[in-house]
Amino acid sequence: RKEVEQDPGPFNVPEGATVAFNCTYSNSASQSFFWYRQDCRKEPKLLMSVYSSGNEDGRFTAQLNRASQYISLLIRDSKLSDSATYLCVVRGTSGTYKYIFGTGTRLKVLA
Amino acid sequence: GAVVSQHPSRVICKSGTSVKIECRSLDFQATTMFWYRQFPKQSLMLMATSNEGSKATYEQGVEKDKFLINHASLTLSTLTVTSAHPEDSSFYICSAKEGGSNEKLFFGSGTQLSVL
Repeated sequence: RKEVEQDPGPFNVPEGATVAFNCTYSNSASQSFFWYRQDCRKEPKLLMSVYSSGNEDGRFTAQLNRASQYISLLIRDSKLSDSATYLCVVRGTSGTYKYIFGTGTRLKVLA
Repeated sequence: GAVVSQHPSRVICKSGTSVKIECRSLDFQATTMFWYRQFPKQSLMLMATSNEGSKATYEQGVEKDKFLINHASLTLSTLTVTSAHPEDSSFYICSAKEGGSNEKLFFGSGTQLSVL
């Protein structure tokens, strides 16, 4: 089983739609969780950290469910510019700063 | 925000040559740097973790004699692909982490290596 798993997609959605991605992780002792966005052949950019209480940043909402070991990302009112690959990232156990990337979920927002 | 500079952005070389990729943190001290490799339509695969002044920790399956990592200062880490072969062609990307409890990773812009 992969340490971090995501549905690769692609998710093709119309502008204005709401779309949700899930990510599961295998190590229950994982400490920190993030969503990154990567455009084709560019470096990943941090979208948001994910906290146990859930957090929101504009049209983006992230949730963490430690019991079920998954995190989610919700994008509301999708824009064309949201088209990218969204990477789920999990940081290793305490004392290590090993970041494990999921395979990414591709999103295409269509006009 | 923090900036990580990675050079070169693109390298085309002949099989058997060695290629050095530099990763610099421009406005912070990076106690830990990570090197990743990404094949088309795949995610980033961690190759090694380097800490300033000590030997790099390589992930399983990554040949340390082929991928030489040097992290001699708090602002510079280098990855040298020795005796490159076509199968080494990939997108290599570094990331850096500040010291302390700051968990954010800052990425270089990546290097596309093509070995002919």
